[in-house]
Amino acid sequence: EAEVAQSPRYKITEKSQAVAFWCDPISGHATLYWYRQILGQGPELLVQFQDESVVDDSQLPKDRFSAERLKGVDSTLKIQPAELGDSAMYLCASSPDRVNTEAFFGQGTRLTVV
Amino acid sequence: AQKVTQAQTEISVVEKEDVTLDCVYETRDTTYYLFWYKQPPSGELVFLIRRNSFDEQNEISGRYSWNFQKSTSSFNFTITASQVVDSAVYFCALSVGNTGKLIFGQGTTLQVKP
Repeated sequence: EAEVAQSPRYKITEKSQAVAFWCDPISGHATLYWYRQILGQGPELLVQFQDESVVDDSQLPKDRFSAERLKGVDSTLKIQPAELGDSAMYLCASSPDRVNTEAFFGQGTRLTVV
Repeated sequence: AQKVTQAQTEISVVEKEDVTLDCVYETRDTTYYLFWYKQPPSGELVFLIRRNSFDEQNEISGRYSWNFQKSTSSFNFTITASQVVDSAVYFCALSVGNTGKLIFGQGTTLQVKP
């Protein structure tokens, strides 16, 4: 069964260090999402791609976060420098397109900043 | 502004009991989609159902059923004859127009005891 792959599953990093997460969506899915889920809360959208273009990054803290999807397939989310408040689960999701279709989620990357 | 409220933070039931998870949403858009996702301890969000704003028919899938009422802006989820494997965090989510962006509630943690 096709699934969204994310790596690493867990990451511990020190404050002010750089960290990167990788996501490989389901093959053929044009839309890719990065969500952040703080413990005890629902996920919140950070950035949305349609193919290689950013559709929505209004909630992405652009002073420290960046995201790319260069060939419209896999994607990387980077944080530099990491802060204690960035500790959270980072979830990647993909869908065939953004119009009324469900998103399929990966298992996420659990980030702990110490 | 769009918002999803799941007033029940935690619910605990004994196996075989029926349980209803409440979801209230806010939006001024006439075209929107409502979702339920399940998040087991492993972390990934598992899609359960999607409804569009023009279809108020209730839906049943095995032990799961959903009640969509536009008059009260609610999309409640009932599990009949609950099982231990139903223990998870359940999220209700809203997507407006054709954005694809999911707006999640805070989630309800369901514990089913044997």
